[in-house]
Amino acid sequence: NAGVTQTPKFQVLKTGQSMTLQCAQDMNHEYMSWYRQDPGMGLRLIHYSVGAGITDQGEVPNGYNVSRSTTEDFPLRLLSAAPSQTSVYFCASSYHPTESNQPQHFGDGTRLSIL
Amino acid sequence: RKEVEQDPGPFNVPEGATVAFNCTYSNSASQSFFWYRQDCRKEPKLLMSVYSSGNEDGRFTAQLNRASQYISLLIRDSKLSDSATYLCVGREGTALIFGKGTTLSVSS
Repeated sequence: NAGVTQTPKFQVLKTGQSMTLQCAQDMNHEYMSWYRQDPGMGLRLIHYSVGAGITDQGEVPNGYNVSRSTTEDFPLRLLSAAPSQTSVYFCASSYHPTESNQPQHFGDGTRLSIL
Repeated sequence: RKEVEQDPGPFNVPEGATVAFNCTYSNSASQSFFWYRQDCRKEPKLLMSVYSSGNEDGRFTAQLNRASQYISLLIRDSKLSDSATYLCVGREGTALIFGKGTTLSVSS
């Protein structure tokens, strides 16, 4: 049971490049989300999904797109990378969060640097 | 912005000490609360959920005071392995709101 798998673990991009951060979970979780973590800022929610075909914006969605075509996968796309998007990105999943106190399971993170 | 506020610390304590962290939240509609632990450059992991009646897991005790809108975490008999950042988290609907974390350093 792999849990939540994120790829790549590290990435360096040039300003203006696009890329997709991959996230997959094998726990049949309905809820998946993306966070970014910056020094002194804590984790901030970028986008989330409550099931296949359903996505919604979090606190800091600008510059990012997501899709949820399957229960297992929730990729995060950077459309045109900017230095302000240098961060550590975490993907997380859980059973539907409104069903009692469901813990979030996090991936190992992707460390992204934009030059 | 809905806020979960924590004292960032760092808290520097010797082994065996008792240490307490507090966290306040701004939205009285927040439904559930958690403490997560995050080791340096690692992913956050659930430490424990927080219930209004208070709950204990070994050396860790969590408490929720809805009237005052604060959550606490008490760690007794601190171990070197407790050194980490502790994140206070509130749930509002489908969104989790994370505090910035409190750093604990336990020394021998």
